[in-house]
Order: sequence, then structure tokens, then C-alpha cells
Amino acid sequence: QKEVEQDPGPLSVPEGAIVSLNCTYSNSAFQYFMWYRQYSRKGPELLMYTYSSGNKEDGRFTAQVDKSSKYISLFIRDSQPSDSATYLCAMRTGGNNRLAFGKGNQVVVIP
Amino acid sequence: DSGVTQTPKHLITATGQRVTLRCSPRSGDLSVYWYQQSLDQGLQFLIQYYNGEERAKGNILERFSAQQFPDLHSELNLSSLELGDSALYFCASSVVPGGTPDTQYFGPGTRLTVL
Repeated sequence: QKEVEQDPGPLSVPEGAIVSLNCTYSNSAFQYFMWYRQYSRKGPELLMYTYSSGNKEDGRFTAQVDKSSKYISLFIRDSQPSDSATYLCAMRTGGNNRLAFGKGNQVVVIP
Repeated sequence: DSGVTQTPKHLITATGQRVTLRCSPRSGDLSVYWYQQSLDQGLQFLIQYYNGEERAKGNILERFSAQQFPDLHSELNLSSLELGDSALYFCASSVVPGGTPDTQYFGPGTRLTVL
């Protein structure tokens, strides 16, 4: 079983829709949870960062962490064509900085 | 632009060869990380250096090695290359390891193609 599971299927949504992405994980030692956005032919960039369980909101983006279920989510409200990218979940323990990534979801927002 | 630079952008080579990938971290960042991204495995952590010393090791093959120099730039050496080594190789940097939050800034990557 992989440490982090993210169904890598592509997602196409119309502009203005809500995008919902999620990951599950098996390592209960993970404490820090991140979502990275990767545009085509670019390196990943940090989008959201959450410590432990709870919700975090930043503009149109909301990250949720449920440690009891080992499940994290990212919601994008009022999606825009500029949100078209691959979204990768990532997480790490408190002891080191090794990031464990999901495989990523390619999101396409259709104008 | 993350401030992390990587050279070269693209590299095409043959099986059995050896290549060196170079990374310059953001100004002030002491920690450098190397990742490999392939379609089937996703983004995989290879190795981390902090201020010149190896800090953590991930799924790095014995044919691969890395180092971080006194000026903090890092090189990833890949030898006896196989077709399966074809991938995107990313370098990331952060100020210090273990900080909260400790954002890793990724470079644009080096695309390696082994023929």
C-alpha cells in the first residue's frame, strides 16, 4: 500500500463550478499536509498548508484534514480557467522534511 | 519564479551513460531536496542535504548520488543510466529543515530522456 493515495484521474469542470480533490494516507505519523499546484512544464508550487486536523481557507481555496479518517481534501470554489493545472497532495511527519506526494489530479476548467 | 534554478532544462542521453544535474537554491536557503517525477510513480523524494551534509534519503538508487557544495548549490549524478530513469528531476530548497511551516520551493526541473 502506498503511503499516499490520490486517484490520478483527470477532472474537467465548467468555469464557476466547485472542484473537489482528495487524498488518503496510511502513515499516522503525518502531521503536516499540503496541496501543491503544478502547471504544465513547471515545478510544483505550494498552494495550501495545514497542520493537523481542521479546515483552512484562503480565498477560493479550502483545505480540510481529517486525521481520524486519514483523509484530506481540497476544494476550489468558483473555478477559473487559470486553475487548470495538476494538483498534488503532499504530507510529512514532524521529524523530517521528506514530502510524500500523491500522484496528482489534472484539473481542466472549461470556459 | 521560485528562485530555484536548475540546469540543464533538457537532457537526452543513451543507456549506460552518466549525467550530472545541477541545482542552485534560493538565496538564503540551506536545505536542498531532489525529487524524481514519472508518470507511473508520481513525485518521489530522492535525497535531502542541509548545509552540505546529507540529511535524509528516500528512494534513491545506488547508481545515483548527490552532493551539496560549500556555496550551497547541489548536483545529482546519475550513472549507468537505464530507460526507466527517464523522468523529470526536480530540485527544491527551503530555509531550514523542520521549520513550521517549512515551505519547499521547487525549481523548473530537468527533463531526462534516456534512449
